[in-house]
Amino acid sequence: GNSVTQMEGPVTLSEEAFLTINCTYTATGYPSLFWYVQYPGEGLQLLLKATKADDKGSNKGFEATYRKETTSFHLEKGSVQVSDSAVYFCALSDNPGNQFYFGTGTSLTVIP
Amino acid sequence: KAGVTQTPRYLIKTRGQQVTLSCSPISGHRSVSWYQQTPGQGLQFLFEYFSETQRNKGNFPGRFSGRQFSNSRSEMNVSTLELGDSALYLCASSTPGRNTEAFFGQGTRLTVV
Repeated sequence: GNSVTQMEGPVTLSEEAFLTINCTYTATGYPSLFWYVQYPGEGLQLLLKATKADDKGSNKGFEATYRKETTSFHLEKGSVQVSDSAVYFCALSDNPGNQFYFGTGTSLTVIP
Repeated sequence: KAGVTQTPRYLIKTRGQQVTLSCSPISGHRSVSWYQQTPGQGLQFLFEYFSETQRNKGNFPGRFSGRQFSNSRSEMNVSTLELGDSALYLCASSTPGRNTEAFFGQGTRLTVV
């Protein structure tokens, strides 16, 4: 079946530090991979996506590369800001029903 | 372009009651999915509707049901509420087809007392 395993949090970083949040997946087909972000009291916002192996998704300084050989989609950012504090979810989708499988979420706090 | 709209934002209900939540998708999106988010279980898929038909269903009891109207708006209903149904219920809309992203609403926070 399909599943996503995500690095446990919470993660606390100082401003301008490097961020990595690990994500690995199991899928029966050829999924697309996503990172969503959730700010307090809000729904999920798409951060970036990749639809096939070796694709790199990027947005707002965040990047993630679809690695089929390691079944991974790790999120990285070179220099985090206080405004990046949020919960980050890794997700996959591979069927016409558009069902998404989410990781457990990683809470990130960036301190000045 | 308006986003996904969920109403109401907050609800407080008593055990045993029933509740109906509403979701208006982005214009042109015909697929609507529902998720339950709790601290303990994370994000869990409830069901997905496309063109008024349920295409996919998660592992939830029959107390959880939904429907979609011809204008793609969707409702979900929970009957005989239990304390464990307290959660953030998120609706997502998308265009049909493989591997398209989902656009989420802000959610309805349901508290069962």
